[in-house]
Amino acid sequence: DGGITQSPKYLFRKEGQNVTLSCEQNLNHDAMYWYRQDPGQGLRLIYYSQIVNDFQKGDIAEGYSVSREKKESFPLTVTSAQKNPTAFYLCASSIEWGGQNTEAFFGQGTRLTVV
Amino acid sequence: AQKITQTQPGMFVQEKEAVTLDCTYDTSDQSYGLFWYKQPSSGEMIFLIYQGSYDEQNATEGRYSLNFQKARKSANLVISASQLGDSAMYFCAMRGGVDDYKLSFGAGTTVTVRA
Repeated sequence: DGGITQSPKYLFRKEGQNVTLSCEQNLNHDAMYWYRQDPGQGLRLIYYSQIVNDFQKGDIAEGYSVSREKKESFPLTVTSAQKNPTAFYLCASSIEWGGQNTEAFFGQGTRLTVV
Repeated sequence: AQKITQTQPGMFVQEKEAVTLDCTYDTSDQSYGLFWYKQPSSGEMIFLIYQGSYDEQNATEGRYSLNFQKARKSANLVISASQLGDSAMYFCAMRGGVDDYKLSFGAGTTVTVRA
């Protein structure tokens, strides 16, 4: 079945440590996204990638980094510079990066907790 | 920048009744798309319905319909014949214009269906 796989589902990190969240898609989509969700809030865009080997900052990129070396993979690293990393992280993809009717498909999310 | 407003943080609905979830948006673009997603407690985002700004008819998908009032910048979701499985968080999202590279989300509405 085609879809987006995020791992792990739950992740615990000590303060001061970097941690990498995995996102893999087999939908052959060009565009991939990382969103952050905090309780009672909507999703906010961290980074997006329009095509392999290219990525752009979203609205809240500080303290995060990404890479897009393969079309199917878009890992997100939460660095120690991120002041409040505890949140639910959602990865998404779409067949293309733009277009008003371009639907995004989401993974099941990773819940990151800093302990 | 686009802004999505969902004013109802939580709603209760009786099983088999209809419920309307409010969504208003703010944009200066003429061409844009409006989406509704469902997020169950498991966390994944499930696409429900899409409405394009130039679509003359309101979108419908099974028990979901979108009450689109362009002049009022309103895109309310109507769920008919509510089921217990409809209990979830619902997000209104928008894409288009200079921000068409991303989905911008509202804060969401939690729906609880009572037996």
